[in-house]
Amino acid sequence: EVQLVESGGGLVQPGGSLRLSCAASGFTFSSYWMSWVRQAPGKGLEWVANIKQDGSEKYYVDSVKGRFTISRDNAKNSLYLQMNSLRAEDTAVYYCARLKITKYFDYWGQGTLVTVSS
Amino acid sequence: EIVLTQSPATLSLSPGERATLSCRASQSVSSYLAWYQQKPGQAPRLLIYDASNRATGIPARFSGSGSGTDFTLTISSLEPEDFAVYYCQQRSNWPPAVTFGPGTKVDIK
Repeated sequence: EVQLVESGGGLVQPGGSLRLSCAASGFTFSSYWMSWVRQAPGKGLEWVANIKQDGSEKYYVDSVKGRFTISRDNAKNSLYLQMNSLRAEDTAVYYCARLKITKYFDYWGQGTLVTVSS
Repeated sequence: EIVLTQSPATLSLSPGERATLSCRASQSVSSYLAWYQQKPGQAPRLLIYDASNRATGIPARFSGSGSGTDFTLTISSLEPEDFAVYYCQQRSNWPPAVTFGPGTKVDIK
C-alpha cells in the first residue's frame, strides 16, 4: 500500500525557517517525480515544487523561488522541503504528493500544517 | 501562465441527481487535464486524468470529457459521499508547472 507521511509542520515566526519531511513507503520511491502542494486555510490547492527521480531537476512556483528548497534522499525513501524566510502568506497545509508518469498527483499524504505568525 | 476557471463555484443538488462541473483554461491544454475530489479534512483524491480516464478504483458514475480549453466532470447520480469540493488541474506546460482551478463545491440541497 502506498503511504506518504508528512512531518515537521508547526508554528514559526515571520522570517523563520522550517523543514518538512515526507516518508514514503509501499512503492519504489526512486522511480517517481515527487511534489509539494499546499493549501491555505479555506482556500484552493497550489503547487509548490517538483523534484525529479534522481534530484537533478527541481522546479518551484514563483512565490517561493529563492526561499524554499526541495530535496530527496532515495536511500531513505524521503522527500524534504526546506522553507526559509517564511511569510504569513506561506501559512497552509503542505501535502507531499507522488506524480504519476502522466504527471498527475496519484497519491497524497495527509498533510502537515505550517503556521507563520508572530 | 495558464489560468483555470471553474464554474459554478457552488452546486447545490440532491442525492441521485446529475452533477455537471465545468473547467475552462485560458489557453489550450490539449487533453492534459485532471479532476480531484477533496472532502473536509482530507487530502485530494485523483478522479480523472488526461481529461477522460478514470483513476484506479474510481466508480463509473464519474466521467470526464473535453479537450482544448473546455472540460466537464459529470457525476451521473450523486451518492451521499460525493458531496465535496472538486478541483481541475492542468499540466500541459510540464515541466515544470502544474496549475489548479479554484474549485467547485458540490453541497446537499
